[in-house]
Amino acid sequence: NAGVTQTPKFQVLKTGQSMTLQCAQDMNHEYMSWYRQDPGMGLRLIHYSVGAGITDQGEVPNGYNVSRSTTEDFPLRLLSAAPSQTSVYFCASSYSARSNQPQHFGDGTRLSIL
Amino acid sequence: DAKTTQPNSMESNEEEPVHLPCNHSTISGTDYIHWYRQLPSQGPEYVIHGLTSNVNNRMASLAIAEDRKSSTLILHRATLRDAAVYYCILRDISGSARQLTFGSGTQLTVLP
Repeated sequence: NAGVTQTPKFQVLKTGQSMTLQCAQDMNHEYMSWYRQDPGMGLRLIHYSVGAGITDQGEVPNGYNVSRSTTEDFPLRLLSAAPSQTSVYFCASSYSARSNQPQHFGDGTRLSIL
Repeated sequence: DAKTTQPNSMESNEEEPVHLPCNHSTISGTDYIHWYRQLPSQGPEYVIHGLTSNVNNRMASLAIAEDRKSSTLILHRATLRDAAVYYCILRDISGSARQLTFGSGTQLTVLP
């Protein structure tokens, strides 16, 4: 049981490039989300999804797109990378969005934008 | 949103119990108390959660004050692997808050 798998683990991009951060879970979880973690700051929600075909914006959505075509996958797309998007990105999933459900996190993607 | 207050750092000796406090004096009656931890270079990891009663699981125990204005995460026997940042988080029972709001947490150092 792999849990939440994020790829790649590390990535360096040039300003203006685009890329997709992959997130997959094998727990049949309905709820998935993306956070970013910057030094000295807590995790901030970028986008989330309560099920296949349904996505919504979180606290810091600008510059990012998501889609949810299957229950298992929730990719995060950077449209035109900017140095301000240098961060560690975490994907999380839970059985549902209910507040008594624990969330399971991946090990993160460390992204540097030059 | 109700806020939580935790000490910035704590130390413990290996194989001794650790009590990590969290104050949440503005907690509402519909807030769950969650604890997560984050080991170095890893994603956050769920530890435990509760609403009113004390809770136990294989990782830890959660003691909730009778007035629910504070709680304590108890690690019964600290190991070096328990060195992490521990976050106390409140989540409204309605689930309307879609994100976990991570504060600065408590950095736990376990001494061999």
